[in-house]
Amino acid sequence: GAVVSQHPSWVICKSGTSVKIECRSLDFQATTMFWYRQFPKQSLMLMATSNEGSKATYEQGVEKDKFLINHASLTLSTLTVTSAHPEDSSFYICSASPQPNNEKLFFGSGTQLSVL
Amino acid sequence: GESVGLHLPTLSVQEGDNSIINCAYSNSASDYFIWYKQESGKGPQFIIDIRSNMDKRQGQRVTVLLNKTVKHLSLQIAATQPGDSAVYFCAERTGGGNKLTFGTGTQLKVEL
Repeated sequence: GAVVSQHPSWVICKSGTSVKIECRSLDFQATTMFWYRQFPKQSLMLMATSNEGSKATYEQGVEKDKFLINHASLTLSTLTVTSAHPEDSSFYICSASPQPNNEKLFFGSGTQLSVL
Repeated sequence: GESVGLHLPTLSVQEGDNSIINCAYSNSASDYFIWYKQESGKGPQFIIDIRSNMDKRQGQRVTVLLNKTVKHLSLQIAATQPGDSAVYFCAERTGGGNKLTFGTGTQLKVEL
């Protein structure tokens, strides 16, 4: 089956620093990847759609200058949380699909970000 | 629709029993639905999907039922096992677009 790898699994950083999270599709190419955010005991909220070779599309209320997305190749998308603050602490998850129309999305293992 | 709330509904079942997890979706234009299983600290795992032109689909030990009239989706797990304990989310795709909207989620607890 399709594998989406996400790194790191967890990260602790100081307030004001930036953190980069990587999402890789290991055995397929993905022109589109998705970034989600999940708070404890809540559902996944779509933050943005990452498009290979073009700008990401952000959901309403998500600051594009805060959450920088780069989709430089067909197998890699990165999310950078800039100037992180404690309220940015969350579980961040990426997803991608090997199929047309992005059906059967496969998810990475998630990154737990804790900002001190 | 958007998922809100701080408390996940919980379903407790005995090992070996069948489980039924329900989901109400929001958009009558949604054409594709997926069930995911999420274990603590991990990303969601694909279980089964169904298109809007179907009302039932079966997988290994799982069945998804779709009732478009009342915008209701259910996941049935046969002979529930301890390893099935997790949070289950339904997700809908609207209008052929590429974005999924996730439901609130249900915590399934399997008791021995």
